[in-house]
Amino acid sequence: RKEVEQDPGPFNVPEGATVAFNCTYSNSASQSFFWYRQDCRKEPKLLMSVYSSGNEDGRFTAQLNRASQYISLLIRDSKLSDSATYLCVVIPGGATNKLIFGTGTLLAVQP
Amino acid sequence: GAGVSQSPRYKVAKRGQDVALRCDPISGHVSLFWYQQALGQGPEFLTYFQNEAQLDKSGLPSDRFFAERPEGSVSTLKIQRTQQEDSAVYLCASSPAGTSNTGELFFGEGSRLTVL
Repeated sequence: RKEVEQDPGPFNVPEGATVAFNCTYSNSASQSFFWYRQDCRKEPKLLMSVYSSGNEDGRFTAQLNRASQYISLLIRDSKLSDSATYLCVVIPGGATNKLIFGTGTLLAVQP
Repeated sequence: GAGVSQSPRYKVAKRGQDVALRCDPISGHVSLFWYQQALGQGPEFLTYFQNEAQLDKSGLPSDRFFAERPEGSVSTLKIQRTQQEDSAVYLCASSPAGTSNTGELFFGEGSRLTVL
């Protein structure tokens, strides 16, 4: 089982739609969680951190459920420019500093 | 620019050739990471440096892969006797802190390796 699992999609949604991505992680000791965005043939970039209390940044809301080892990203009022791959990222517990990336979920927002 | 710079951007190698990929991190960044990203997959961790010390190389897939950062700045990822399964984009990332707990890594555009 992979440490971080995501539905690869693609998610094809019309402009203005609300879309949610889910991610599960296997290491219950994991401490830190993030969402990254990767445009086609570009490098990944940090989108937002995920906190236990949930956090919102404009149209984007991220939530963490530690009991279920589950992370979500909600995008409201989708724009064409939101089309990208969304990567779920976990920092495992312990001494390691490495970020573990999921496979990514591809979002295509249609006009 | 002031971002992470990687070279070459594209490399085609014949099976069995050795390749060297270079990463220039953002000036002053302590942490440096190498990731391998195959088509349709997320980045897979290869190795991590804090300054010149290689603290984690658990992701290197075989002893054909070697990374160094001798002066704590520029890093080189070397792949010996390349195989077709080595074809991927190799991403370098840096961060200013000694740990990556802030979650923000600054990635280069990657070196796309194709092994024929």
